[in-house]
Amino acid sequence: AQSVTQLDSQVPVFEEAPVELRCNYSSSVSVYLFWYVQYPNQGLQLLLKYLSGSTLVESINGFEAEFNKSQTSFHLRKPSVHISDTAEYFCAVTVYGGATNKLIFGTGTLLAVQP
Amino acid sequence: KAGVTQTPRYLIKTRGQQVTLSCSPISGHRSVSWYQQTPGQGLQFLFEYFSETQRNKGNFPGRFSGRQFSNSRSEMNVSTLELGDSALYLCASSLGVMGQGSSPLHFGNGTRLTVT
Repeated sequence: AQSVTQLDSQVPVFEEAPVELRCNYSSSVSVYLFWYVQYPNQGLQLLLKYLSGSTLVESINGFEAEFNKSQTSFHLRKPSVHISDTAEYFCAVTVYGGATNKLIFGTGTLLAVQP
Repeated sequence: KAGVTQTPRYLIKTRGQQVTLSCSPISGHRSVSWYQQTPGQGLQFLFEYFSETQRNKGNFPGRFSGRQFSNSRSEMNVSTLELGDSALYLCASSLGVMGQGSSPLHFGNGTRLTVT
């Protein structure tokens, strides 16, 4: 069965420090990979996505993620975080090509940026 | 362009009742999908509608159903409510059907359902 694992439920970090949020997936069929961010009392917003091509994808606010097929990972990184980056981050996988397509989310990682 | 609109924002129901949630997608988006978010189970995919047809379905019981109208607006219905149905229900719209990865999801702010 397909699944998405976010290894850390919470990541505390100081402002301007680097951060990595980990995501691993398991799937025997084709996938698209996404990171979404959720601020308090709001829906999810797409942060970045990997569909094909270059394995390193970037967002407009300094986040990047690298697709590693051999390790089935799609970790999210930022070299220097801001207080405003405090939010919950969800890794997601669209599994397609089978009988039905599904979007599977990880359990989320709360990024808590401290001054 | 207006975003995805979900109504109502908050809802309190009693066990055994039924509830209908509404979602208006971004103009031009033909796919609407629904998700349940709870602290224990996280985000779980319920189903997706595209051009008034259910195209994909998650692993939820038949008490959870939906439909999509010709203007792409969608409703989700939950019958015979249980305490465990208390959750934030999120709706998302996109241009293409799930599996067409170039169509990202745009989420609404959700409807928080409390079952007492």
